[in-house]
Amino acid sequence: DGGITQSPKYLFRKEGQNVTLSCEQNLNHDAMYWYRQDPGQGLRLIYYSQIVNDFQKGDIAEGYSVSREKKESFPLTVTSAQKNPTAFYLCASSRDRGGTTDYEQYFGPGTRLTVT
Amino acid sequence: KQEVTQIPAALSVPEGENLVLNCSFTDSAIYNLQWFRQDPGKGLTSLLLIQSSQREQTSGRLNASLDKSSGRSTLYIAASQPGDSATYLCAVRPPRQLTFGSGTQLTVLP
Repeated sequence: DGGITQSPKYLFRKEGQNVTLSCEQNLNHDAMYWYRQDPGQGLRLIYYSQIVNDFQKGDIAEGYSVSREKKESFPLTVTSAQKNPTAFYLCASSRDRGGTTDYEQYFGPGTRLTVT
Repeated sequence: KQEVTQIPAALSVPEGENLVLNCSFTDSAIYNLQWFRQDPGKGLTSLLLIQSSQREQTSGRLNASLDKSSGRSTLYIAASQPGDSATYLCAVRPPRQLTFGSGTQLTVLP
């Protein structure tokens, strides 16, 4: 089945530790995204990547880092510099032909991170 | 900066009712608008994608309309069912990044 997988579903960490969230897709999509969702709020973009070995900061990139070494994978590291890391993290992907059409985003099931 | 607003934040209706969810955006220079459904603790499921050149899209009991000039979209759900209970999010795409509203939490009562 084609889709996006995120692991783990729940993650618990102590304050001060870095943690890496996994995102894998087998849709052959060029573009991948990381969003953060806080209770009662919409999604906010952390980082996105349109091509392997390239990525761009979104609206709230501080305290996060990413890599895109393979087309299928876009891991997100939440560093100790992120002041409020507890949130629901969602990964997405899309075909990106660089034009204005055909840009539907597909989402993974999410990872809920709790930092205490 | 693009801002997306969804009103109401929560809505509760009896089963069988037709209903409308609203989405408004401040910058009409969008490429497309996408409606999503999110169940509690889950990821987002894409419902409908409307390109900027389109006026509406339909899928089953769902119909989404887009009026770029007024910065509005509506999602119409016909004959609502308890299984439609979820949070509905709209998002617009300017050049690259989707900008999301905070969603409408819909409860359909049996």
